[in-house]
Amino acid sequence: AQRVTQPEKLLSVFKGAPVELKCNYSYSGSPELFWYVQYSRQRLQLLLRHISRESIKGFTADLNKGETSFHLKKPFAQEEDSAMYYCALKGRDKLSFGAGTTVTVRA
Amino acid sequence: EAGVAQSPRYKIIEKRQSVAFWCNPISGHATLYWYQQILGQGPKLLIQFQNNGVVDDSQLPKDRFSAERLKGVDSTLKIQPAKLEDSAVYLCASSLDPSANYGYTFGSGTRLTVV
Repeated sequence: AQRVTQPEKLLSVFKGAPVELKCNYSYSGSPELFWYVQYSRQRLQLLLRHISRESIKGFTADLNKGETSFHLKKPFAQEEDSAMYYCALKGRDKLSFGAGTTVTVRA
Repeated sequence: EAGVAQSPRYKIIEKRQSVAFWCNPISGHATLYWYQQILGQGPKLLIQFQNNGVVDDSQLPKDRFSAERLKGVDSTLKIQPAKLEDSAVYLCASSLDPSANYGYTFGSGTRLTVV
């Protein structure tokens, strides 16, 4: 079985402050982890993939197999980062999502 | 490239009525997915197609939900009869190759309200 847990439903930070969204997973095989984002009135879209080890819009995420985590981080939050963020795990060709975290960045 | 198209955007029906949703994936994407997203929850996979064959429908409530993908392109998802708890956003997504590390491309979704 595969499971994704996002413990925070809501996260509020001030503009310029660091933001970290937590994601923990359980999966018996070698996981592929993703972060998806949904801005207001827009469709769900891919933010980044762990295998790419890339930084997108200032966000990074590191896969920690020992802690089974894939936390999303950004050192300086911007107002345009306000959105819903979903952590997702792909196992055996099936993509499973966490419940999501709503991020609000205040001026 | 054109994105994943879904229609209608919104639908309100009474319980016990029937409803159908339509999805047109990105051209060339062999894999198509239907997800159900209930308010406050993450998307949950209902069914996965590879071309016109079903790969995974383990979480599809088959007593009332059905889906097909004739000719391996467009897909329809039907609910008959609908229940109040079916109120959700139904998302369609497609992928070029599920075994590779590609993300999925999602449509805008159909928001269903059952009253």
